Amino acid sequence: IAGITQAPTSQILAAGRRMTLRCTQDMRHNAMYWYRQDLGLGLRLIHYSNTAGTTGKGEVPDGYSVSRANTDDFPLTLASAVPSQTSVYFCASSDGQGHTDTQYFGPGTRLTVL
Amino acid sequence: GQNIDQPTEMTATEGAIVQINCTYQTSGFNGLFWYQQHAGEAPTFLSYNVLDGLEEKGRFSSFLSRSKGYSYLLLKELQMKDSASYLCAVSSNDYKLSFGAGTTVTVRA
Repeated sequence: IAGITQAPTSQILAAGRRMTLRCTQDMRHNAMYWYRQDLGLGLRLIHYSNTAGTTGKGEVPDGYSVSRANTDDFPLTLASAVPSQTSVYFCASSDGQGHTDTQYFGPGTRLTVL
Repeated sequence: GQNIDQPTEMTATEGAIVQINCTYQTSGFNGLFWYQQHAGEAPTFLSYNVLDGLEEKGRFSSFLSRSKGYSYLLLKELQMKDSASYLCAVSSNDYKLSFGAGTTVTVRA
């Protein structure tokens, strides 16, 4: 069982370019999440999806969009990248069954925007 | 809003005990999680507390006091492989997780 996979592992991107970070899970989890992790700030939620077909905004959604066409995939798109979006991006998933809901994280994508 | 505080860094000797404190002020409370994150890797689940008291899991224990908005993670018999960041996260009313900035623990020989 792979769990959660993310692609690419790392990417250097010119400012203004469009970029999609991919996330796939094989655990049949209902809920999926995108976080960014910056030094000294911890993990911050960008967008989430409680179930296929629905999405919601997290703490820092500006400049990012997501879609959830099916249970397994939850891509994150940067429409026009800016240097402040340089970060490590983690995708996570959970059963989505309520408060005991443990989130499991993918290996991360390290993104540098120049 | 959410406010979660934990120390930035701690250093301890192999075989010793270290206690990482976490205080929180959140809108609603549905449990507190601790995650471990080694450098360059993904966070991995360590523990979950929703009721007051101590939960023990091998060398790791986690404590919660809801009335004080306080938790700690206790690491016993420290090993070199325990050198990592430890993240405190609170599940609030909408079941979303809010994370603290993390505590980097360095274990010295």
